Amino acid sequence: NAGVTQTPKFRILKIGQSMTLQCTQDMNHNYMYWYRQDPGMGLKLIYYSVGAGITDKGEVPNGYNVSRSTTEDFPLRLELAAPSQTSVYFCASSDPGLATDTQYFGPGTRLTVL
Amino acid sequence: AQSVTQLGSHVSVSEGALVLLRCNYSSSVPPYLFWYVQYPNQGLQLLLKYTTGATLVKGINGFEAEFKKSETSFHLTKPSAHMSDAAEYFCAVSEKGSNYKLTFGKGTLLTVNP
Repeated sequence: NAGVTQTPKFRILKIGQSMTLQCTQDMNHNYMYWYRQDPGMGLKLIYYSVGAGITDKGEVPNGYNVSRSTTEDFPLRLELAAPSQTSVYFCASSDPGLATDTQYFGPGTRLTVL
Repeated sequence: AQSVTQLGSHVSVSEGALVLLRCNYSSSVPPYLFWYVQYPNQGLQLLLKYTTGATLVKGINGFEAEFKKSETSFHLTKPSAHMSDAAEYFCAVSEKGSNYKLTFGKGTLLTVNP
């Protein structure tokens, strides 16, 4: 049982490049979330999903896209990278229906845009 | 809308001293409250949570927190600090009607001095 896994761990992008941050969970959780963490700012919600095929915006969605084709995977797409997207990105999952309203976090992806 | 305020971005204590990290929240409905800990270059790990029932909740590593509705607070305490407690601590709130999305405070960095 690996929990929530994220790849890659680190990435450096040039301005205007695109990339996909991968997130996979093996706990059969319906809810999945993407957060970004900036120094001194806590974590901000980017997008979330309550099940396969259902996604919605969080607090800071601009510049990002998501899809949820399976229960296990919730990739985050950056189309035109900008320096403001330099951050640490965390994926999390939970399933209130299983009485586990706790969100379980992955180890994070550290992204630098130059 | 829900919000969280953590008083003190940096708290420094001596080993063996009381740890007190403050958290106040705002929520329009009965909240779910969480404390997460983040060790350097790692993801977030749940320390403890309050959903319903007993207002004094105990978590891992000897931490506990008390939900005080009248004060809209959920302060984290530990009677005796250990060097291994040095980390960043995040308070978070979610609401059942908001798809359990977490709103985080900005975090408190705990330093433990020998």
